Amino acid sequence: DAKTTQPTSMDCAEGRAANLPCNHSTISGNEYVYWYRQIHSQGPQYIIHGLKNNETNEMASLIITEDRKSSTLILPHATLRDTAVYYCTPLGTSGSRLTFGEGTQLTVNP
Amino acid sequence: GAVVSQHPSWVICKSGTSVKIECRSLDFQATTMFWYRQFPKQSLMLMATSNEGSKATYEQGVEKDKFLINHASLTLSTLTVTSAHPEDSSFYICSAAVATNEKLFFGSGTQLSVL
Repeated sequence: DAKTTQPTSMDCAEGRAANLPCNHSTISGNEYVYWYRQIHSQGPQYIIHGLKNNETNEMASLIITEDRKSSTLILPHATLRDTAVYYCTPLGTSGSRLTFGEGTQLTVNP
Repeated sequence: GAVVSQHPSWVICKSGTSVKIECRSLDFQATTMFWYRQFPKQSLMLMATSNEGSKATYEQGVEKDKFLINHASLTLSTLTVTSAHPEDSSFYICSAAVATNEKLFFGSGTQLSVL
């Protein structure tokens, strides 16, 4: 399994953009980068995923570096409800088997 | 998105008893489901892959006789914690994908407390 490295914690002001980095330097060529978040005492929620190109959906944007060794999840206008632990994790052709690192605790402050 | 339902949300049991947790895919069929456990302030740990109609695949260090997994239909997987002890107290979460190599949808989790 490719190893990922994320900051332990980050803070963000409400209404500002939250940029969460992830290092995945050992990712394989066929592995996608997936981002999930987990609000306290709930199951994880899918946010976005990508392979090479940058991606955007209604929740967030994902910027992947050209060498694919790192990526950044962007929440354009963070709200208090975005306070959660954010996980980036690779997924290849192992049949949806996902493993999680320690993630980043994002705290959005009023 | 697809919905994965997990039941019960929480359970308290006496040491030595067995507890069954159900995971259902409500609007899709899942040939594969995954079970995770999570201790306080820690990340999710993958326990096993549940395969419909065949034996589950357990991760290294997970006791298969302790954590019995049954995936008898395309919409239901169950995890039974046998002879539960206080150290089994944890947050158990199941997940499923609509199709192979697709994103996972997670249940809401089951908080197990063993007295």
